[in-house]
Amino acid sequence: QVQLVESGGGVVQPGGSLRLSCAASGFTFSNYGMNWVRQAPGKGLEWVSFIQFDGTTEYYGASVKGRFTISRDNSKNTLYLQMNSLRTEDAAVYFCVKDWDDFWRGPAPSNGLDYWGQGTLVTVSS
Amino acid sequence: AIQMTQSPSSLSASVGDRVTITCRASQDIRNDLSWYQQKPGKAPRVLIYAASSLQNGVPLRFSGSGSGSDFTLSISSLQPEDFATYYCLQDFSYPRTFGQGTKVEIK
Repeated sequence: QVQLVESGGGVVQPGGSLRLSCAASGFTFSNYGMNWVRQAPGKGLEWVSFIQFDGTTEYYGASVKGRFTISRDNSKNTLYLQMNSLRTEDAAVYFCVKDWDDFWRGPAPSNGLDYWGQGTLVTVSS
Repeated sequence: AIQMTQSPSSLSASVGDRVTITCRASQDIRNDLSWYQQKPGKAPRVLIYAASSLQNGVPLRFSGSGSGSDFTLSISSLQPEDFATYYCLQDFSYPRTFGQGTKVEIK
């Protein structure tokens, strides 16, 4: 069965950095695009970033562009999110999410997000 | 970015009621829309993709319809396990954007 397990969350001061990881299993990780989606406490879902199955294409939401970097290591079945210059408004649960279609190339997204991890909490506070 | 507007933001309903949630896109997104259910403290799960296709394992009381800019998620007979928050997501272009959510509460 598909499993996505996030780690790396924690408490960081404004302006600080954090790297999230997502360990994937139960599917051929290198065949699928992957996403990060976040949810601030008591708020709705916000899509953050996407990386294509082969790592050659990335997209970002406007609120994180230039500060966050998504990457993947297909040899380790792991997705990453490097978060720099963190702001209080970045505090959220960050979900690792699998794209629906395999070998999907943009520029448009695939047909939805079919598997979600349980999330890792990032707190930004001084 | 494409704006997704859901309505209502919350509703109260009884077990057995028919429930309808609407999602409107700020431009034509063809049928590139999916629906998600989220229960408190849990990750979302996909219900509907491509506007009207039911994900495997999702009960048949859930259905989706619409194309262009107006979409609907319907629950034909609300069950106790359906009380949750529902989100639409446009899959037409990046950045992907979610609706603000609709919380379905027990009446």
